Amino acid sequence: GNSVTQMEGPVTLSEEAFLTINCTYTATGYPSLFWYVQYPGEGLQLLLKATKADDKGSNKGFEATYRKETTSFHLEKGSVQVSDSAVYFCALSDQGAGGTSYGKLTFGQGTILTVHP
Amino acid sequence: EAGVAQSPRYKIIEKRQSVAFWCNPISGHATLYWYQQILGQGPKLLIQFQNNGVVDDSQLPKDRFSAERLKGVDSTLKIQPAKLEDSAVYLCASSLGTEQFFGPGTRLTVL
Repeated sequence: GNSVTQMEGPVTLSEEAFLTINCTYTATGYPSLFWYVQYPGEGLQLLLKATKADDKGSNKGFEATYRKETTSFHLEKGSVQVSDSAVYFCALSDQGAGGTSYGKLTFGQGTILTVHP
Repeated sequence: EAGVAQSPRYKIIEKRQSVAFWCNPISGHATLYWYQQILGQGPKLLIQFQNNGVVDDSQLPKDRFSAERLKGVDSTLKIQPAKLEDSAVYLCASSLGTEQFFGPGTRLTVL
């Protein structure tokens, strides 16, 4: 079955440091890949997505590239801010027959990011 | 646009009791999902509805969990009887296309 593995956390950085959170996946077919973020006290929000190989998703300074050859979707940001402190989830969505996406998400275990001033 | 609404936000019950959670998706979203998020883990899909029909309930513990979406709009998830290991946040999400929008969740504590 499908699975997503994220780097173990928590991750603690100083403001303006470079961030990488690793994510690898196992799936059949051609999944779509997502990063979701959960800020303290809030619900899950979509951060970025990529729907096919070599696509790059980006939002709020975060980027991730869909690498089919390495089955990876690592999250990066060049300069983190205190406001980026949150839990980050990598996820994939499988494809139904005929390429129709049913939207079921399989999540990684989440990575807690804390950014200090 | 109003987001996904869930209630209650918090619930504390004793084991073997029953509990129900309610979800109202974003207007017009045909697909509705219930996820279980145990502390320290990512959300796990329990059940997916397309309108009022079940698409996937393969990971729903059917001996104690049930869910319905009778009119294809709001949905109810029930646990009867609850076990200690059911302590988790129960998330509802809805979608029109590929992006899912999540509600704030219901935090259940089973004592």
